[in-house]
Amino acid sequence: DSGVTQTPKHLITATGQRVTLRCSPRSGDLSVYWYQQSLDQGLQFLIQYYNGEERAKGNILERFSAQQFPDLHSELNLSSLELGDSALYFCASSVDLDLGTGELFFGEGSRLTVL
Amino acid sequence: AQSVTQLGSHVSVSEGALVLLRCNYSSSVPPYLFWYVQYPNQGLQLLLKYTTGATLVKGINGFEAEFKKSETSFHLTKPSAHMSDAAEYFCAVSQNFGNEKLTFGTGTRLTIIP
Repeated sequence: DSGVTQTPKHLITATGQRVTLRCSPRSGDLSVYWYQQSLDQGLQFLIQYYNGEERAKGNILERFSAQQFPDLHSELNLSSLELGDSALYFCASSVDLDLGTGELFFGEGSRLTVL
Repeated sequence: AQSVTQLGSHVSVSEGALVLLRCNYSSSVPPYLFWYVQYPNQGLQLLLKYTTGATLVKGINGFEAEFKKSETSFHLTKPSAHMSDAAEYFCAVSQNFGNEKLTFGTGTRLTIIP
């Protein structure tokens, strides 16, 4: 158990809909990362938050947005869903950047299926 | 830009045989290199990492990897494969020790033959 909790584990929805994925990082971790894992594109970095502020942005579509709340949990919002958004979405957390150990702790992922 | 290339999307070895998973990196600055493992229906877990210092790094479950700057490689090895090693393995690179935008390879699925 990594200590990172993601909900829901599985989600099936239709094209055009909007979903929210939730992540609770390990206790004490300030950084949260979102990754998308799909068969054709592998593991793609989407976005990173550090202590409530956006820190880095990767290949995140404009239809997607994220935020990190004061209690450090994070949500990834996916809207106007398309079939190609079907993937496994991982959240990861890490310790304070200045004291970083170089290790990300991953949740078990949220599997999104868009029909 | 940084990137990693994993040679072989699928590797099969017999139980007890040597495991060798290949990873080559591209980075404009000295890289930080990682191997992560993903067991079925689980998230990724750190196996080992290279930051600075000793180029041969040892990780969990008997795995080790050697950083070879001249070959821009960071291959993962284990002397004797066990059935429990069956999983997907990801090589990753970062230019920042804070793990910003960790870039993963496409993964290598390791199958162990009884």
